[in-house]
Amino acid sequence: AQSVTQPDIHITVSEGASLELRCNYSYGATPYLFWYVQSPGQGLQLLLKYFSGDTLVQGIKGFEAEFKRSQSSFNLRKPSVHWSDAAEYFCAVGSTNDYKLSFGAGTTVTVRA
Amino acid sequence: DSGVTQTPKHLITATGQRVTLRCSPRSGDLSVYWYQQSLDQGLQFLIQYYNGEERAKGNILERFSAQQFPDLHSELNLSSLELGDSALYFCASSWGDTQYFGPGTRLTVL
Repeated sequence: AQSVTQPDIHITVSEGASLELRCNYSYGATPYLFWYVQSPGQGLQLLLKYFSGDTLVQGIKGFEAEFKRSQSSFNLRKPSVHWSDAAEYFCAVGSTNDYKLSFGAGTTVTVRA
Repeated sequence: DSGVTQTPKHLITATGQRVTLRCSPRSGDLSVYWYQQSLDQGLQFLIQYYNGEERAKGNILERFSAQQFPDLHSELNLSSLELGDSALYFCASSWGDTQYFGPGTRLTVL
């Protein structure tokens, strides 16, 4: 069975500082991995995805993520956080059979001035 | 804007009632997925349809059912509602391996 763990429930970061959100997955084969962001009262927006190839993937809004098979991780990073990055971030693993997603519990990011 | 639309945006109803949530996928997408987001369970996959056929099933209660119509829109039917069914219900659509989510329907059961 596929599953995702996001160890950090809540992270507070200063505006302009770097951000790293952790994600560990469990999947029997090469996974499809995703990061989504949910702003308050909004739906889920896709930030980036990894299927194969280059293990460092670039996404929207200046985010990037690195796939590390040896650590079963897919951590999300941003070099300099903006106040508008305050949101909840979800890591997800997708089944390669039917693409259904299993989500982590989410990490809430608070940005302080 | 993902291109996926969901109606209604909010729904308030009473226990024991039945409701229908509607989803229109992005143009050209054949797959529709339904997810439930609640405080205690997080985001959970419910069911997937592909071109009118059920493709995969997740943690969907027997009181819940879904279908996808020939024009590819989908409906999620929730019956005999309980307080615990209060949640945000998302629809997502895809052509292949990437899902795009709608804004969700917030269901409140009183």
